[in-house]
Amino acid sequence: DTGVSQNPRHKITKRGQNVTFRCDPISEHNRLYWYRQTLGQGPEFLTYFQNEAQLEKSRLLSDRFSAERPKGSFSTLEIQRTEQGDSAMYLCAIWGQALGTEAFFGQGTRLTVV
Amino acid sequence: DAKTTQPTSMDCAEGRAANLPCNHSTISGNEYVYWYRQIHSQGPQYIIHGLKNNETNEMASLIITEDRKSSTLILPHATLRDTAVYYCIVRVAMDNAGNMLTFGGGTRLMVKP
Repeated sequence: DTGVSQNPRHKITKRGQNVTFRCDPISEHNRLYWYRQTLGQGPEFLTYFQNEAQLEKSRLLSDRFSAERPKGSFSTLEIQRTEQGDSAMYLCAIWGQALGTEAFFGQGTRLTVV
Repeated sequence: DAKTTQPTSMDCAEGRAANLPCNHSTISGNEYVYWYRQIHSQGPQYIIHGLKNNETNEMASLIITEDRKSSTLILPHATLRDTAVYYCIVRVAMDNAGNMLTFGGGTRLMVKP
């Protein structure tokens, strides 16, 4: 148990559909990150929240992607009009001073666009 | 963040020590060396980190050369469950706002019976 719950664990969707993923840290942590990982590659940074404020977005995050973190607790990542290239594992990570100096990752949501 | 270079893959016999090297010749004085691993279909798991002194915890040891240009992660008695991709990352301390982990390709460690 890493202290980060991600749902769903797997999602299969048809091209063009919208999907939403959720990340729930067990306790509140001020920083939350989303990463994307394609097969055979290391995770790539997508976006970062400090509490409820989205402070940084990667150029990988096209305008079809949107992330929110209302009230600075859980976070959602939505992909609109999915494309086959969106197929990947989407990972959420948290850390804060209470955790020390390392990040904790969730188990990820594996998205398959058919 | 400084770039790292790791071998693409390594094998290790079960019960033997696994020594995973990492080169980070452009590391800055305030950058730490972090190691994470990722077992198939799971999220990355923190292993250990260090600045310049060698570090040891219940999972592994981290040996950093005196010039800090390279390091070695040591799993003292590798088990089959240690089969994973191991990522070496160098960056400033995690409590600096906005700094994220930048993953490379990592080393795929295969522990064999």
